[in-house]
Amino acid sequence: GNSVTQMEGPVTLSEEAFLTINCTYTATGYPSLFWYVQYPGEGLQLLLKATKADDKGSNKGFEATYRKETTSFHLEKGSVQVSDSAVYFCALFSTGGGNKLTFGTGTQLKVEL
Amino acid sequence: GAVVSQHPSWVICKSGTSVKIECRSLDFQATTMFWYRQFPKQSLMLMATSNEGSKATYEQGVEKDKFLINHASLTLSTLTVTSAHPEDSSFYICSVPGTSGIGSTDTQYFGPGTRLTVL
Repeated sequence: GNSVTQMEGPVTLSEEAFLTINCTYTATGYPSLFWYVQYPGEGLQLLLKATKADDKGSNKGFEATYRKETTSFHLEKGSVQVSDSAVYFCALFSTGGGNKLTFGTGTQLKVEL
Repeated sequence: GAVVSQHPSWVICKSGTSVKIECRSLDFQATTMFWYRQFPKQSLMLMATSNEGSKATYEQGVEKDKFLINHASLTLSTLTVTSAHPEDSSFYICSVPGTSGIGSTDTQYFGPGTRLTVL
C-alpha cells in the first residue's frame, strides 16, 4: 500500500537559517505529491504540490522537487522566518490508492529569533 | 482555494452523550467529503468518505455505529460521535476534494477542525 515517511521533529532553527524536511514515499502508480502546512490552531493548508517526476512545486519561498529515482519530495526553504513555525505534512495522492490522500506523520518546525 | 467551514470549532461534552460536527463546502458543491481524526503530535487518520446520496465508506477499524456520517446535501456533511467517551477526544477535520473547476481533483481543501473533549 501507499505510505509516506517524514523526518521526526521538532526541528528548531534560528531565523534566516536554511530548512530541509525530508520526505520519502512508497506508492503504486504515479502519485501526486504535496506539502501541507498547519499553523497553530488552524486547519491544514496546501503549501505546494508536484504531479510528475522532476516537477518542482514552490510557494512562499518553499520548494520541493519530485524525485522518482529516490522516491523523495524533500521540502526546502533558504531563509526561514518566525512566522514559518508550524507543522508540515508530506502527502501523496494516487488513484491506485483509492483516490485518497496518504499523510506522513508531520514535522513540527520552530523558528526562533 | 475553496473555503470549507466546520462547526463547532471546539466542544466539551460529558461521557455518554452524542456530539454532531458539521462540515460545509462554501464555494462549490461536493458529492464527496472526507473525515479525518488527528491525535496530538500525530498524522491525520482518514476515518471515512462521506458520499452524497449513498452510505459513507468507512476505513478499516473505524466503528460505523460509533461515528455516524450523513451527507445531507451537496454542501453539508455531518459527523456524529455517538455515546462519546474520553478516548474519543481528538481533533476532527473534514476535507473537500477539488474539482476541475476549482483546483484539481487530487487536491483537498481542509476545514479548520473541531476539537472534541469528552469528560
